[in-house]
Amino acid sequence: QTVVTQEPSFSVSPGGTVTLTCGLSSGSVSTTHYPSWYQQTPGQAPRTLIYSTNTRSSGVPDRFSGSILGNKAALTITGAQADDESDYYCVLYMRSGIWVFGGGTKLTVL
Amino acid sequence: QVQLVESGGGVVQPGRSLRLSCAASGFTFSSYGMHWVRQPPGKGLEWVAVISFDGSNKYSADSVKGRFIISRDNSKNTLYLQMNSLRIEDTAVYYCAKRDGSGLYWFDYWGQGTLVTVSS
Repeated sequence: QTVVTQEPSFSVSPGGTVTLTCGLSSGSVSTTHYPSWYQQTPGQAPRTLIYSTNTRSSGVPDRFSGSILGNKAALTITGAQADDESDYYCVLYMRSGIWVFGGGTKLTVL
Repeated sequence: QVQLVESGGGVVQPGRSLRLSCAASGFTFSSYGMHWVRQPPGKGLEWVAVISFDGSNKYSADSVKGRFIISRDNSKNTLYLQMNSLRIEDTAVYYCAKRDGSGLYWFDYWGQGTLVTVSS
């Protein structure tokens, strides 16, 4: 069973930079998993941030960027703001018609 | 603009069935694949199922395989999730999401969700 791993929580200071990662319990994440990232605040539907590894969705500020770092997908927030405090989810396409979400990272900005 | 509106959630006993609907507007529904994604209270997102634009291909997560059926009616611009043999652990907010049209395997629009509570 494929498990997608994310840090459960992370903290960043206002104006700081943070990198959240998205890995696989077995193997490496690559661009062929088409990693995408979603932001969610309590009680709201997810909002798309990044798709296909590093493409920002329409209207997403350029302080959000995606990449592959080593064997993981990564979401970097540069110049964190208070309203970036949210849950962040990655999802990978497993090439068998199946998508798998990571467990999510709760980001605190303080 | 794209709108996805889920309905059909509620409280249901274990072992019973429920059908969710997702009414789509603002885009050519019959041209896009569609997903269901769920989120148990206080927990993370879980992908549930996907259906191709014409309904010919369907895939689902192991956790719901054999119990949940995804379908669509393109004449009504509506996506469905038939949930059978419901379990306590199926309690969640269920979101429908539109698949991208670029072949890049992401969810470009989401509904606001409908809550399903499985409880005796």
